[in-house]
Amino acid sequence: EADIYQTPRYLVIGTGKKITLECSQTMGHDKMYWYQQDPGMELHLIHYSYGVNSTEKGDLSSESTVSRIRTEHFPLTLESARPSHTSQYLCASSESLYNSPLHFGNGTRLTVT
Amino acid sequence: DQQVKQNSPSLSVQEGRISILNCDYTNSMFDYFLWYKKYPAEGPTFLISISSIKDKNEDGRFTVFLNKSAKHLSLHIVPSQPGDSAVYFCAASDWSSGTYKYIFGTGTRLKVLA
Repeated sequence: EADIYQTPRYLVIGTGKKITLECSQTMGHDKMYWYQQDPGMELHLIHYSYGVNSTEKGDLSSESTVSRIRTEHFPLTLESARPSHTSQYLCASSESLYNSPLHFGNGTRLTVT
Repeated sequence: DQQVKQNSPSLSVQEGRISILNCDYTNSMFDYFLWYKKYPAEGPTFLISISSIKDKNEDGRFTVFLNKSAKHLSLHIVPSQPGDSAVYFCAASDWSSGTYKYIFGTGTRLKVLA
């Protein structure tokens, strides 16, 4: 069973607030990912990392930023939240072995009012 | 341009029967394919995967078939159970390119009727 944790599970905040969504994994995986999903839509990759001090932007443009200072931790930050940021944010990790699946956390449901 | 497509947004199946979920892709460089199951308010759970060097992979009630020439894969669930009711996502990646990105489809909502 994969051990990847996201906090908070649910977050309701006002426009203009700065927020950080936490993601931690205890499996020692080098690769970590952030996906954004709206209801009925596919999961869109917004950020990924291949290891410490490595971060890349994904296929979907996002105003969020990420950091990877430690292997196990991959937080996502929104400097100024807007209603358009309302979505579910899913963190995932995978091993570096060829053809390794993604393991997901339970996600953070963000609502910006 | 959507590289991974699930054209059926929903599917209803009687308990005990076979559920077949389909997925099409456009990028011939994809070499690894996965299926995930997702309940509301939870993250996707990995079900089964298949490498492009195979055309079938089986794990208990779940079997994935890959047709590379048609760029099509399917997930068979036999027998279907009410607990299988969820949204199923297919995903693909191109590990040979070294990008290690996973592209997801829009999902198919499966409802298994008791």
